[in-house]
Amino acid sequence: KAGVTQTPRYLIKTRGQQVTLSCSPISGHRSVSWYQQTPGQGLQFLFEYFSETQRNKGNFPGRFSGRQFSNSRSEMNVSTLELGDSALYLCASSSRGYRTDTQYFGPGTRLTVL
Amino acid sequence: AQKVTQAQTEISVVEKEDVTLDCVYETRDTTYYLFWYKQPPSGELVFLIRRNSFDEQNEISGRYSWNFQKSTSSFNFTITASQVVDSAVYFCALSDPQGGSEKLVFGKGTKLTVNP
Repeated sequence: KAGVTQTPRYLIKTRGQQVTLSCSPISGHRSVSWYQQTPGQGLQFLFEYFSETQRNKGNFPGRFSGRQFSNSRSEMNVSTLELGDSALYLCASSSRGYRTDTQYFGPGTRLTVL
Repeated sequence: AQKVTQAQTEISVVEKEDVTLDCVYETRDTTYYLFWYKQPPSGELVFLIRRNSFDEQNEISGRYSWNFQKSTSSFNFTITASQVVDSAVYFCALSDPQGGSEKLVFGKGTKLTVNP
């Protein structure tokens, strides 16, 4: 079974631009979560989607948004990029997003904001 | 609030040494799940193990073993006879159920370097 895939793997943007990251979950998984990893803050939860609905959201500004499609693929968008948005963005999928499920992570998208 | 503490920021050992990575957690939930993930330089978080709060039986998987103790809120991870390929950042995580699903709360990670 193929794992979680994320595209693109690397991105360089400038302040003020917007960016869209994509995540394809493991086949059959319906829950997708996004995490931001920075050296200072570590791994922080962004949001979680299940059946095209956002069920859970972390403490991030409204510039961070996401969506999920009917095939469970998910995208996250960051508008008006700031230098502090430079990070590794990790996507994780699980069967249903319940506590009995394990989250499996993709390789991440490394975003650099100049 | 859920919290995970990994006090060891970096550990350096020589190949074949045993190494233990510490994890201490805080939660008010009576039912919860604990996880260990490994992050090699490539960046992907690799799932290692999941334990639930009502199963304190220790587990061994090859060179890996885990010691879960509710009395001390600890979930420690030991690598026996370490190898260079074990070099990575290891994260301990705790489940945090909200809004009908759950997120993971991670510790800051422990960077393990195994030298030949």
